[in-house]
Amino acid sequence: TQLLEQSPQFLSIQEGENLTVYCNSSSVFSSLQWYRQEPGEGPVLLVTVVTGGEVKKLKRLTFQFGDARKDSSLHITAAQPGDTGLYLCAGYETGANNLFFGTGTRLTVIP
Amino acid sequence: DAGITQSPRHKVTETGTPVTLRCHQTENHRYMYWYRQDPGHGLRLIHYSYGVKDTDKGEVSDGYSVSRSKTEDFLLTLESATSSQTSVYFCAISASNLPHSEQYFGPGTRLTVT
Repeated sequence: TQLLEQSPQFLSIQEGENLTVYCNSSSVFSSLQWYRQEPGEGPVLLVTVVTGGEVKKLKRLTFQFGDARKDSSLHITAAQPGDTGLYLCAGYETGANNLFFGTGTRLTVIP
Repeated sequence: DAGITQSPRHKVTETGTPVTLRCHQTENHRYMYWYRQDPGHGLRLIHYSYGVKDTDKGEVSDGYSVSRSKTEDFLLTLESATSSQTSVYFCAISASNLPHSEQYFGPGTRLTVT
């Protein structure tokens, strides 16, 4: 059983479109992180959200942590080909010291 | 970029042979981790270390052992490789194990067990 489920698993869109990626769990997390991974490389941290209901923006990327701290979303506005990659959510379950990763969403932005 | 290197970057080995993967950091971070990445599973923690000679098991530790004799090096050993251990292995480091701490990842090692 996967602790963190991401949807969709694959997403292919045209440049300029908007998209949302979801990260869901039945567990409560003390924090959630979003990483981006490019082929042949390790994941790189984009953002950490800590407070339920928190919204963080990173240029065209908007991250939200659910009020109950069980889910998170990543919204990309006006996607660009440079946004192509594997997006991973990861969280520290409340009381745990290890990071659990979601299943990942592979995004392709077509020029 | 965090100073993390992994070696080898690619390896093909036969079932039943021992394999050791190396992770080297230049950041002097206390915490080091080994993950494996497989399609449909994301990254899963194998073992981690919270100091020299201090290690603990992760989610998928069966068939793997680790050692950390120096702050900068964390070794992952497959005592007798099996085909189910074909995967991409990532090392990560962190200055802290607090819930908000960032992990920095190495470039990965692609291991194929035939």
